[in-house]
Amino acid sequence: KAGVTQTPRYLIKTRGQQVTLSCSPISGHRSVSWYQQTPGQGLQFLFEYFSETQRNKGNFPGRFSGRQFSNSRSEMNVSTLELGDSALYLCASSLDSGPYEQYFGPGTRLTVT
Amino acid sequence: GQSLEQPSEVTAVEGAIVQINCTYQTSGFYGLSWYQQHDGGAPTFLSYNALDGLEETGRFSSFLSRSDSYGYLLLQELQMKDSASYFCAVLLHSGNTPLVFGKGTRLSVIA
Repeated sequence: KAGVTQTPRYLIKTRGQQVTLSCSPISGHRSVSWYQQTPGQGLQFLFEYFSETQRNKGNFPGRFSGRQFSNSRSEMNVSTLELGDSALYLCASSLDSGPYEQYFGPGTRLTVT
Repeated sequence: GQSLEQPSEVTAVEGAIVQINCTYQTSGFYGLSWYQQHDGGAPTFLSYNALDGLEETGRFSSFLSRSDSYGYLLLQELQMKDSASYFCAVLLHSGNTPLVFGKGTRLSVIA
């Protein structure tokens, strides 16, 4: 079974621009969560989607948004990029809405200049 | 709020046993998970403790004590490939964030 895939793997953007990241979960997994990982803050939860509905949202500004499609694929969008948004963005999928065992993708490394 | 504390770094010798502790402050949670992340890689699920006690999976064991607000990951027969960061995480009953991670412990295995 294929693992979680994320595209693109690396991205360089300029302050003020927007970016869209994509995640394809493991087949059969309906829950997709997004995390931001930085050296200083560690892994921080962004949001979780289950059956196309946002179930939870972490403490991030409204510039961070996401959605999930009927095939469980998910996208996250960051508008008006700031330097502090530079991070590794990880997507994780799990079988149901209880994310106790999550399968992570390789992440998208976003650099904002 | 919720917080999890882990040592930032641990060094151990190949073949030895190492214990990585995780203390937490949270009002209510379903269980404690552990993840491994190699440099440049994605976090990988290792174990989950829903109940107090020890869970064993090969060379790795994980322990939870709700009364002590404490858990640990035990790695036996250390191998060089075990050098990685290890994160504990709590699955919360309520709130906006279902899974809260500790900052991680960087394990270095030396010969």
